[in-house]
Amino acid sequence: NAGVTQTPKFQVLKTGQSMTLQCAQDMNHNSMYWYRQDPGMGLRLIYYSASEGTTDKGEVPNGYNVSRLNKREFSLRLESAAPSQTSVYFCASMWSIGKDTQYFGPGTRLTVL
Amino acid sequence: AQTVTQSQPEMSVQEAETVTLSCTYDTSENNYYLFWYKQPPSRQMILVIRQEAYKQQNATENRFSVNFQKAAKSFSLKISDSQLGDTAMYFCAFMKLGNTPLVFGKGTRLSVIA
Repeated sequence: NAGVTQTPKFQVLKTGQSMTLQCAQDMNHNSMYWYRQDPGMGLRLIYYSASEGTTDKGEVPNGYNVSRLNKREFSLRLESAAPSQTSVYFCASMWSIGKDTQYFGPGTRLTVL
Repeated sequence: AQTVTQSQPEMSVQEAETVTLSCTYDTSENNYYLFWYKQPPSRQMILVIRQEAYKQQNATENRFSVNFQKAAKSFSLKISDSQLGDTAMYFCAFMKLGNTPLVFGKGTRLSVIA
């Protein structure tokens, strides 16, 4: 039982390049989330998926797209990376009502030059 | 919209002493959850403790306990017998019921000094 896994752990991009951050969970959770963490800002929600087949914008969605590929996987895509997207990205998942606790992946440190 | 405020950007405590981290929040909800997460230098987000708003009893987990004051919208974390491994960023977080995202405070950096 690996919990929540994220790939890659580190990535350096040039401005304008694209990439996809992968997230998978093996806990049969319904909800999945993408957050970004910037110094002095805490974690802020980018997008989330309350259940398979649905996605919703969070606080800072601009410049990102997401895909809930199936119940296990939730990917985050940067179509044209910008230096302002330099951050640490966390994926999280949660079961649902009655077990409302989010579990986090190890994070991806992304640098955009 | 909900907001979470952690007014102490940094704190330090001597090993074996007790320290309290403050958190206040703003919401119009009556039922919700509150959490403290720990983020050590490894960057992993680790759940420390969770409180359901409908429970009057304060949550405890070994050396960690909370003081939940619903009317004052206050949710402080007390760490007893502090250990060097407690050195980390601590985030307070709020969540409404259901499949909803967490709202985080900006964090408190705690240093435990030998």
